Amino acid sequence: DAKTTQPPSMDCAEGRAANLPCNHSTISGNEYVYWYRQIHSQGPQYIIHGLKNNETNEMASLIITEDRKSSTLILPHATLRDTAVYYCIVTYSGGGADGLTFGKGTHLIIQP
Amino acid sequence: SAVISQKPSRDICQRGTSLTIQCQVDSQVTMMFWYRQQPGQSLTLIATANQGSEATYESGFVIDKFPISRPNLTFSTLTVSNMSPEDSSIYLCSVDGQPWSSYNEQFFGPGTRLTVL
Repeated sequence: DAKTTQPPSMDCAEGRAANLPCNHSTISGNEYVYWYRQIHSQGPQYIIHGLKNNETNEMASLIITEDRKSSTLILPHATLRDTAVYYCIVTYSGGGADGLTFGKGTHLIIQP
Repeated sequence: SAVISQKPSRDICQRGTSLTIQCQVDSQVTMMFWYRQQPGQSLTLIATANQGSEATYESGFVIDKFPISRPNLTFSTLTVSNMSPEDSSIYLCSVDGQPWSSYNEQFFGPGTRLTVL
């Protein structure tokens, strides 16, 4: 799986959009970008994934650059409950068929 | 989505002893995974457990230290053997999401927090 680079921490004001970047310059053509988050003292939770196109669901939006070398996870209206470590993972299968390789992630802190 | 439980939720153990962690899922799943999360660190995959076959271990993890059982499609155990303080971690099981989702993601249990004295 391709390596990812994320900032170690970010702050965001409650109610504002949180934009979490991820670099994955060595991604191959059939690798997906998956995002998980881990709220303190809980197991990781799937957020969203994409291959080439931008994606949106009830939790977040995922913007993938045209060259696929980077992506941004957007939480449109961050709440205090969004404080967590966010992991960007590049994988062929999303983890369903194989284990996941977690990087260090970004610790997002939502400020009241 | 999946309902995954782990037992115990936490434990404090003496060095040299062993602890078996249980992972129970509310539906049949093909793939189950075990991860370790050391204090302040990210998750590291220990092994993949398929029903009816030997677990597949990642580099740096061996069966003698982390024996795994997978007797059926809803249950797995991980044993941490001959423990030392360096084994103090959160141990998490996860499953592939196919019974509940088409996104090919993993669902994680709540974790077992192990402290070795």
